[in-house]
Amino acid sequence: DSGVTQTPKHLITATGQRVTLRCSPRSGDLSVYWYQQSLDQGLQFLIQYYNGEERAKGNILERFSAQQFPDLHSELNLSSLELGDSALYFCASSVYRDEQFFGPGTRLTVL
Amino acid sequence: DQQVKQNSPSLSVQEGRISILNCDYTNSMFDYFLWYKKYPAEGPTFLISISSIKDKNEDGRFTVFLNKSAKHLSLHIVPSQPGDSAVYFCAASATRWASGSRLTFGEGTQLTVNP
Repeated sequence: DSGVTQTPKHLITATGQRVTLRCSPRSGDLSVYWYQQSLDQGLQFLIQYYNGEERAKGNILERFSAQQFPDLHSELNLSSLELGDSALYFCASSVYRDEQFFGPGTRLTVL
Repeated sequence: DQQVKQNSPSLSVQEGRISILNCDYTNSMFDYFLWYKKYPAEGPTFLISISSIKDKNEDGRFTVFLNKSAKHLSLHIVPSQPGDSAVYFCAASATRWASGSRLTFGEGTQLTVNP
């Protein structure tokens, strides 16, 4: 158990819909990262927050957004969903530059 | 542009023997490297890391070697155990990126350790 929690574990929705994925980092970790793992692909960095502020952005679509709240939990919002958005979404946390610890992931299926 | 590459999608070894997983990178700004292990339906689990100021880091059965001139790193597992069977990801980050320490991952190598 990494100490990072993600909800929900599974999410099935339809094209055009909007969903919110939630992540609670390890106690004391100020950095939260979001990654996407599509079928047969490695993990792609989406976005990083540090103590409530956006710190780095990867190949995140404009339809996706994220935020980190004062209690340090983070949410990833995915809107206007397309079939290609079906993937595993992982959240990770770290003390700023140390090893990142990953949550169990949310499996999103867009039908 | 795949900045971190794991050219072997799979590797099969016998229990008790050495497993060697390889990783190449192209971005000279990378100065911190990590290996993660991933089981199906779980998140990646951190295994071991190495800073670019070192060429070797050891933790129990796991040793990571870094060859900066070749932009190559490898993970050695000795002795290999059936429980080591998983997908292994190599990852890299750059401290010089002012915007944070995102990880760039390789595609992963499926290690199978046969009893």
